[in-house]
Amino acid sequence: DAGVIQSPRHEVTEMGQEVTLRCKPISGHDYLFWYRQTMMRGLELLIYFNNNVPIDDSGMPEDRFSAKMPNASFSTLKIQPSEPRDSAVYFCASSDSGNSPLHFGNGTRLTVT
Amino acid sequence: EDQVTQSPEALRLQEGESSSLNCSYTVSGLRGLFWYRQDPGKGPEFLFTLYSAGEEKEKERLKATLTKKERFLHLTAPKPEDSATYLCAANLILTGGGNKLTFGTGTQLKVEL
Repeated sequence: DAGVIQSPRHEVTEMGQEVTLRCKPISGHDYLFWYRQTMMRGLELLIYFNNNVPIDDSGMPEDRFSAKMPNASFSTLKIQPSEPRDSAVYFCASSDSGNSPLHFGNGTRLTVT
Repeated sequence: EDQVTQSPEALRLQEGESSSLNCSYTVSGLRGLFWYRQDPGKGPEFLFTLYSAGEEKEKERLKATLTKKERFLHLTAPKPEDSATYLCAANLILTGGGNKLTFGTGTQLKVEL
């Protein structure tokens, strides 16, 4: 099992640019989660999907953030336009049920200058 | 607002010196308590899930316990390779049948020779 795969591992961009983060969940997992981690706030849930459908996006900070899951093996998190306060590590995770442990990718470290 | 709090924020132990990490939460509709380990530059790695008071689970030098009032991760005779950040997370039931995993900010553990 390859685990949850995220790309890129690091992203450095200038304020105002569009950023797209990508995630491939574990095959067979029906739930996909996007989290953001910062020193100040720890891990925060942004959005999660069940069977490719967004269920709870209440953690998405602003309209600048959007997430899609076009099929069971791929999801994207897009920030447009990016701002320095978006700098954080973004994690994708998947699970095979609503109460099962989450399996995390190794994250994308985003730096917005 | 649902919150998960961990203490201490940081802990330094000598090899073999046993101790405990605490997790407390102010949430309703708890569906389970999860413990994760996170190494630098990596995503959180699942350790344990506890669902009901009185439950205990062990893995090598780690033991997780859950009572009505207390939730601990006990470290027995830890080794330097146990150094990591330990995260506690509460799985909450959402209206409509979904659930949400809310994380604490973690305890940074350093075990020295």
